Amino acid sequence: EAGVTQFPSHSVIEKGQTVTLRCDPISGHDNLYWYRRVMGKEIKFLLHFVKESKQDESGMPNNRFLAERTGGTYSTLKVQPAELEDSGVYFCASSPLQGAGYTFGSGTRLTVV
Amino acid sequence: EDQVTQSPEALRLQEGESSSLNCSYTVSGLRGLFWYRQDPGKGPEFLFTLYSAGEEKEKERLKATLTKKESFLHITAPKPEDSATYLCAVGNQAGTALIFGKGTTLSVSS
Repeated sequence: EAGVTQFPSHSVIEKGQTVTLRCDPISGHDNLYWYRRVMGKEIKFLLHFVKESKQDESGMPNNRFLAERTGGTYSTLKVQPAELEDSGVYFCASSPLQGAGYTFGSGTRLTVV
Repeated sequence: EDQVTQSPEALRLQEGESSSLNCSYTVSGLRGLFWYRQDPGKGPEFLFTLYSAGEEKEKERLKATLTKKESFLHITAPKPEDSATYLCAVGNQAGTALIFGKGTTLSVSS
């Protein structure tokens, strides 16, 4: 079984630019999550999709962040415009059932300079 | 507010020296207590889920236990390959998200 795939693995962009992160969940997993770890802090929830619907987006920091999951398969997370405080590691995870243990991807390390 | 606190932040052990990691939590309605292992440059890897006080789960040298206020991850006779960051998380009341602690970084030397 293929795992959760994220790309790019690393991205360095300038403040004010736009970046789009992609996540391919495990096939058949309806639940897809985005999390973020800022240096020195714990991993924090951003949002949760069930198929193509946003179940919970309470963790999204502000309207510069836009997540989509068209067709209920892969998901993208766009940051526009990026700010310095957006730097961190963005993790995607998927699960077959809500509340079950997730499978995480390896993350995208975003650096905004 | 739901909160997870892990201790210690870092732990150094000699190979074969057993120990325990602590995860204390406050949550309005526990929807599962999760343990993950994370290696450098990788995403968290699921280990266990515990749902009720008194529950225990084991996997190789790891054993997780749960009380009403905390969970312990016991490591018996650790090996260098057990070196990693161990993360504890609780499910939120809605079941839509996990609330993570900062983790305990374990180093096991031979």
